[in-house]
Amino acid sequence: GAVVSQHPSWVICKSGTSVKIECRSLDFQATTMFWYRQFPKQSLMLMATSNEGSKATYEQGVEKDKFLINHASLTLSTLTVTSAHPEDSSFYICSARGAPAEGYNEKLFFGSGTQLSVL
Amino acid sequence: DAKTTQPPSMDCAEGRAANLPCNHSTISGNEYVYWYRQIHSQGPQYIIHGLKNNETNEMASLIITEDRKSSTLILPHATLRDTAVYYCIVRVELRAQKLVFGQGTRLTINP
Repeated sequence: GAVVSQHPSWVICKSGTSVKIECRSLDFQATTMFWYRQFPKQSLMLMATSNEGSKATYEQGVEKDKFLINHASLTLSTLTVTSAHPEDSSFYICSARGAPAEGYNEKLFFGSGTQLSVL
Repeated sequence: DAKTTQPPSMDCAEGRAANLPCNHSTISGNEYVYWYRQIHSQGPQYIIHGLKNNETNEMASLIITEDRKSSTLILPHATLRDTAVYYCIVRVELRAQKLVFGQGTRLTINP
């Protein structure tokens, strides 16, 4: 099956710094990528949807200036948490949706997640 | 997308069949039932999906009632590695852009 690689798997940073998380589709072209966050013992919460070459669409309540999303190519999307604070500590997960021609249209493939801890 | 209701937790003995129910009474005719699972500290994994007919693959079987208002995911011979949170999601297959997760069922397989 399709593989989505997410890096890093965990990161610890100081308050006020920025952290970048990468999400790559390894064997298919991801026309759309999604970013989720998940707090302990809670479900995944969709943060934003990004389409290659266009601006991301953010869910209500998600600050677009704080969570910068770039989807510059069909295989790479990045999430940058700017000026991180302890309350941003969470598990961040990306997912990718393939192009219909590649037969992946009906499934979403997920990365392994990034645990962010802000001190 | 239609809402789904799942029990918050279930237990099952190793080697037995695990049957996870999901209610989706407001499902529309063009909405599919998807199942994903999330093992602790990992990203969700696709299991199976279906529209009307029962489906089976190497991981599980999906039984959808005739009125499509509920479904059951069956893991035929549960192992300890099947311990995870299982999410039942209803969505339009081709037009919907995003996957919205509910609370899911925390399935624990006991030795």
